[in-house]
Amino acid sequence: EVQLLESGGGLVQPGGSRRLSCAASGFAFSTYAMSWGRQAPGKGLEWISDISDGGDSTNYAGSVKGRFTISRDNSKNTLYLQMNSLRAEDTALYYCAKKGCSSTRCYTNYWGQGTLVTVSS
Amino acid sequence: DIAMTQSPDSLAVSLGERATINCKPSQSVLDSSNNKNYLGWYQQKPGQPPKLLIYWASTREYGVPDRFSGSGSGTDFTLTIDSLQAEDVAVYYCHQYYSTPHTFGQGTKLEIK
Repeated sequence: EVQLLESGGGLVQPGGSRRLSCAASGFAFSTYAMSWGRQAPGKGLEWISDISDGGDSTNYAGSVKGRFTISRDNSKNTLYLQMNSLRAEDTALYYCAKKGCSSTRCYTNYWGQGTLVTVSS
Repeated sequence: DIAMTQSPDSLAVSLGERATINCKPSQSVLDSSNNKNYLGWYQQKPGQPPKLLIYWASTREYGVPDRFSGSGSGTDFTLTIDSLQAEDVAVYYCHQYYSTPHTFGQGTKLEIK
């Protein structure tokens, strides 16, 4: 059974940083692309970043480009999202997600339960 | 960026009836090199993460009831739910993964009439 367990959320001051982690299990982590999405309270879904199976290809939404960095450690079956220069509008439930292929140009077939990041002073 | 426009924003359908949700990308999401439409449909119930229903526009995910079906190509897509069940109450999203950013539609809230 695919399991994605996010951690690292919490309250952060504007301008601060946070690193989210996602522990994956139940599938061959190193052979699938992964992504992060988010959902602001009461709002729709937003894709923010993805990374290929080997980590050599990454993509970002314009709203986070230059501030967020996605990475993965295939030896630890873990996905990361380093978030810097956080803004109030980054407040959301952050989801770790698995894609159905090794390439980032693929559908997402599993989502974690999410970790809440609140940016506020 | 490819903008995804869903219609309607909300929908109320009687139990056992058909629900139809439309999705129009602002640009084609059909890759002519492999004849695949890079479009998926997700269901999200309150307090839960999204669940994949359909990918490549018309391929049903394993375990999804066959009353859910996807159709369309290019810039015009439809999610159809036949014989609506009470457990189908949710928000439905279309999603393109043809080009980055991989955008979502604004969502369609489906309720029971």
